[in-house]
Amino acid sequence: ETGVTQSPTHLIKTRGQQVTLRCSSQSGHNTVSWYQQALGQGPQFIFQYYREEENGRGNFPPRFSGLQFPNYSSELNVNALELDDSALYLCASSRGAGITDTQYFGPGTRLTVL
Amino acid sequence: DQQVKQNSPSLSVQEGRISILNCDYTNSMFDYFLWYKKYPAEGPTFLISISSIKDKNEDGRFTVFLNKSAKHLSLHIVPSQPGDSAVYFCAARRSNFGNEKLTFGTGTRLTIIP
Repeated sequence: ETGVTQSPTHLIKTRGQQVTLRCSSQSGHNTVSWYQQALGQGPQFIFQYYREEENGRGNFPPRFSGLQFPNYSSELNVNALELDDSALYLCASSRGAGITDTQYFGPGTRLTVL
Repeated sequence: DQQVKQNSPSLSVQEGRISILNCDYTNSMFDYFLWYKKYPAEGPTFLISISSIKDKNEDGRFTVFLNKSAKHLSLHIVPSQPGDSAVYFCAARRSNFGNEKLTFGTGTRLTIIP
């Protein structure tokens, strides 16, 4: 069974640019959640997609947006990048959106904004 | 507002002894708790969870204890092994939010000394 994969592994952008991060969910999973982990902090919830619909959002501005595709893979888009967006971005997939559905994380994408 | 707190940034334990990692939470609406382990350059890996209707859950060498009145949970690892060296995150969520919005602590770096 293939786990959660993310691409790219590392990315360097400059302020004001836009970035797209990608996530392939684990086989059989229809729910994808995105988290931002700043240095020395725990992951912070950005949003979740369940069967291609947004299913909840954390305290992130609208310039953070996402998509989920029919194969349940997902994208995270960030517009107008700021220096504080530099972080590890984690994607997690789960079999469903129930409370006991464990989220399985990918290795993350390290984004650096200069 | 840090709703899930891990007050010990690091912990060193001799191999074979018990490791105890602690976590406190402030939001009384949390009713499901999880522990994740993270190695460098990898995403967090699910370890063990506990519902608020229980006060203990055990899985092999890992046991999680929940004290709802104190809003405190702990993870016990017995016996500790060198492969347990990692960063451990405590996470919590509310059942009326379903699967979304895992709220993480800032993590505790556990080092097992051979």
